[in-house]
Amino acid sequence: DGGITQSPKYLFRKEGQNVTLSCEQNLNHDAMYWYRQDPGQGLRLIYYSQIVNDFQKGDIAEGYSVSREKKESFPLTVTSAQKNPTAFYLCASSIRPNTGELFFGEGSRLTVL
Amino acid sequence: AQSVTQLGSHVSVSEGALVLLRCNYSSSVPPYLFWYVQYPNQGLQLLLKYTTGATLVKGINGFEAEFKKSETSFHLTKPSAHMSDAAEYFCAVGNDYKLSFGAGTTVTVRA
Repeated sequence: DGGITQSPKYLFRKEGQNVTLSCEQNLNHDAMYWYRQDPGQGLRLIYYSQIVNDFQKGDIAEGYSVSREKKESFPLTVTSAQKNPTAFYLCASSIRPNTGELFFGEGSRLTVL
Repeated sequence: AQSVTQLGSHVSVSEGALVLLRCNYSSSVPPYLFWYVQYPNQGLQLLLKYTTGATLVKGINGFEAEFKKSETSFHLTKPSAHMSDAAEYFCAVGNDYKLSFGAGTTVTVRA
């Protein structure tokens, strides 16, 4: 079945540690996105990529980094510079850069201890 | 610039009653509008979308929404609520290369 796979689903980390969240899609979509979700704030865009080897900052990129070396993969690293990293992280993709439908993964919940 | 306002963070309805979720948007160009649903600890799933054409849009699970340009609104309705409709609902607007989401409305369905 085609879809988006995020891993791990739950992750705990200590303050000062970097952590990388995986996102893989087999939908052959060009565009991929990372959103952060906090209660009562909806989804906020962290980074997006419209094509391989290219990505742009979203609204809240500080403390995060990404890469897009392959069409199907768009990992997100939460660095120690992110001051409040505990959140639910959602990866999404779309056939073309937006005006279209987003397909979401199941999310990764990061808790900083 | 674009933004979305969802009126009411929580809505409680009785099973069989009308579900009405309100969404207003701002956009400098004609928008694409979406409603998504999210069940606990899961990703979002598209309910319906408006791009062009007919202003009344039908989606999955009996939901529909009407685009009213004069009111800059895209309210979501379902005539008869079911227990399985309990979830969080997000309105979104897109017209560039990203979507902007509202804060979400949590729906509770009472038996």
